[in-house]
Formats: sequence, structure tokens, C-alpha cells
Amino acid sequence: HLVESGGGLVQPGGSLRLSCAAYEFDVSLYWMSWVRQVPGKGPEWVANIKEDGSQIHYADSVKGRFTISRDNAKSSLYLQMNSLRVEDTAVYYCARDGAWFDPWGQGTLVTVSS
Amino acid sequence: EIVMTQSPATVSVSPGEGATLSCRASQSVSSNLAWYQQKPGQAPRLLIYGTSTRATGIPARFSGSGSGTEFTLTISSLQSEDFAVYYCQQYNRRPQTFGQGTKVEIK
Repeated sequence: HLVESGGGLVQPGGSLRLSCAAYEFDVSLYWMSWVRQVPGKGPEWVANIKEDGSQIHYADSVKGRFTISRDNAKSSLYLQMNSLRVEDTAVYYCARDGAWFDPWGQGTLVTVSS
Repeated sequence: EIVMTQSPATVSVSPGEGATLSCRASQSVSSNLAWYQQKPGQAPRLLIYGTSTRATGIPARFSGSGSGTEFTLTISSLQSEDFAVYYCQQYNRRPQTFGQGTKVEIK
């Protein structure tokens, strides 16, 4: 399964780094994504990364501010979030990206507020 | 990007009855459509992919149909554990996009 960490409260303009650790799951074999969800709203795909890190894609809403990366040796996925905005407030999930998403982690809450 | 629209926003159903949830895409997504179930405080769980293929462990009372722009998730004989929010998601074209959800509540 997948376990996210690193969420918390940050001021607008601040930074956070999210981590996703995989257990009993070989992330090196799969594309991986970050998906976020504002409570009460539908999920929103944020970014994904190919098995070897050679291809990366971002949603327009985060392009230039967020960076996705992975360390297959540590079975881990990361999301560096800079220049955070109030509208980035959401629960952030990591998920295996097979075009559809499965499995998902339990999520970590990011709150951007002054 | 492709906009996914789900209807109704909320449906009230008695246990043992069936429910039909709809999902419409702003342009054709072929059969590249998935459905998820989400309960309060939990992550979404994959139910169906490829429009009609149930994910591992998903009971047969969940079925999906459709193609192009119109899709349906049918839940026959709702059980107590089925009351939740359901989302559709297209993966025909990047970025992958989700609908806003349909809440299935107890009548």
C-alpha cells in the first residue's frame, strides 16, 4: 500500500514537500501520480512521472510551481510544492497511474492559509 | 481538457433497491472511463475501468456501461456499505479528469 506524509499548514507563498512511501508494492514498475481533492469536490490530477523518471507531466494549475520526483531505490514518490496558493488547499493522494488510479494512499492534508 | 458531468448530484435509495448513476463527457472518451467509490475520510477506491470491467474484489452488483460521451454505473440491490460518493474519470486524453460526484444516500 501507499502512505503519504508531509502535509500541514503553510502560509501563501510558502513551500512543502510531500512524500509517498510504498509498502509491498514495487513502484519502480509503474507510472505514479499525485491527485488532490478539495473536500466536497471531485479529485483533480496534479502530476505524474514515468517508471524511470524520464517523462513527467503537470496540470496547468501547478506547472512551474510543483515538482514531482521519485526514488525507486527507496520505493518513494515526492511532490515539492513551491509558491503555494490558497487554492492549493486540498488532500493530496499518491496513486499508481495506469491511466486509471489504483491503488491510492490515505492522503495528506495541505492547508494554505495566513 | 475534457469536462466530466455527473448526474444526479444526490440520489436517495432504500437498501435493497437499485441505483443508476450517469456520467457525461464533453467529448468522446471512447471506452476509457473509470468509476470510483469514496466513503467519508477515505481515499477513492477503484470500482470499474474500461467502462465495464470490475476491479479486483468488486462485487457483481456493480456494473458499468456506455461509450463515447454517455456512461452509466448501475448498482443493483444496494447494501449498507454502498452508500457513498461515486466519481467517474476519463483517461482517453491528458489530463485525466474526474466528475464532481454523485452521492448515494439512504432514503
